[in-house]
Amino acid sequence: AQSVSQHNHHVILSEAASLELGCNYSYGGTVNLFWYVQYPGQHLQLLLKYFSGDPLVKGIKGFEAEFIKSKFSFNLRKPSVQWSDTAEYFCAVFNTNAGKSTFGDGTTLTVKP
Amino acid sequence: NAGVTQTPKFQVLKTGQSMTLQCAQDMNHEYMSWYRQDPGMGLRLIHYSVGAGITDQGEVPNGYNVSRSTTEDFPLRLLSAAPSQTSVYFCASSVGVLGEKLFFGSGTQLSVL
Repeated sequence: AQSVSQHNHHVILSEAASLELGCNYSYGGTVNLFWYVQYPGQHLQLLLKYFSGDPLVKGIKGFEAEFIKSKFSFNLRKPSVQWSDTAEYFCAVFNTNAGKSTFGDGTTLTVKP
Repeated sequence: NAGVTQTPKFQVLKTGQSMTLQCAQDMNHEYMSWYRQDPGMGLRLIHYSVGAGITDQGEVPNGYNVSRSTTEDFPLRLLSAAPSQTSVYFCASSVGVLGEKLFFGSGTQLSVL
């Protein structure tokens, strides 16, 4: 069965620190990869996505993610976090054959001012 | 520009009661889905639909029914509510059937006593 693993459940950083959130998935076929963010009190929104092409994708608010096919990974990065980045981050994998999305358990990021 | 609209935002039920969570989208999206979000478990897919008249089960379909009589609406029915169904429910839609660029509703917080 397809699964998505996010390695860190809760990350606490100070402002200006660098961020990397891990995401690994298990499915070996063609996938679309996503990172979603849920800010406190708001619904989920798309942060960035990868379908094909350049494995380094850039999203909103200075986030980027790198798809490494050999490692089945799609880690999220940001060089310098801000207090406003405090949120829940979800990695998601869409199985194009089955037409289903699988989400990771989420990582709570707390940025201290 | 309404996007994905979920109602109600909050609901409290007694065990055994039935109810319908409404979801409507005005973007003419073919793909719609229902998720539940539980602490530490991320989002789990309940049911999804790739078009009017077509529905399929997701990861946790038991206790829920769906129908898709129109492109716009995708209601989720709880036939006999149980405390285990206490959760936050998200409806989502996307253009096409690949599930990319999911648009989420704002969520329905359901408590079953």
